[in-house]
Amino acid sequence: EPEVTQTPSHQVTQMGQEVILRCVPISNHLYFYWYRQILGQKVEFLVSFYNNEISEKSEIFDDQFSVERPDGSNFTLKIRSTKLEDSAMYFCASSEELASSYEQYFGPGTRLTVT
Amino acid sequence: GQNIDQPTEMTATEGAIVQINCTYQTSGFNGLFWYQQHAGEAPTFLSYNVLDGLEEKGRFSSFLSRSKGYSYLLLKELQMKDSASYLCAVLSGGSYIPTFGRGTSLIVHP
Repeated sequence: EPEVTQTPSHQVTQMGQEVILRCVPISNHLYFYWYRQILGQKVEFLVSFYNNEISEKSEIFDDQFSVERPDGSNFTLKIRSTKLEDSAMYFCASSEELASSYEQYFGPGTRLTVT
Repeated sequence: GQNIDQPTEMTATEGAIVQINCTYQTSGFNGLFWYQQHAGEAPTFLSYNVLDGLEEKGRFSSFLSRSKGYSYLLLKELQMKDSASYLCAVLSGGSYIPTFGRGTSLIVHP
């Protein structure tokens, strides 16, 4: 069964450093998403991406964040200057359509620890 | 804004039935998802309801009442592996991005 993959599984970085989290969505999916989940808290939407541009973003997704689809398979989330409060699990997801009934498939997540 | 409420934690016995409730206040309701999330893992899709009524899928069923802003997830014949967090997520306001509740941690004991 096709699945969303993410690398690395765990990233430790120092405050102020840039990090890039990588995702490979399911190959025939057209819509891509990033979510984060701070330990013990709820899953929060960051951004959705379609046709090489951002289609929706949340208040969390400020100028420190950016997304890119550098080639036909990868989808990346960059945090330019990490803060302690960026420590969280970051989930990538993809779906065939951006329609409400279409299931989003989540990747296994990258645990980001900012020290 | 949106408000999604779920119980924080529930416990149940292996083999039993458990009902996890979710209430929501939102404008422009478009649908409701239930996800299962094991500790340290990604959410996995369980169900989607947009019309009132019960949707059954194996041991899991999901119910929706739009007029009451209420949904429940029913798990039958509980197994130990069902111990997980169950997330209610709502679509509203013309967005196709679900807003998640805090989740209900279900503990199944022998």
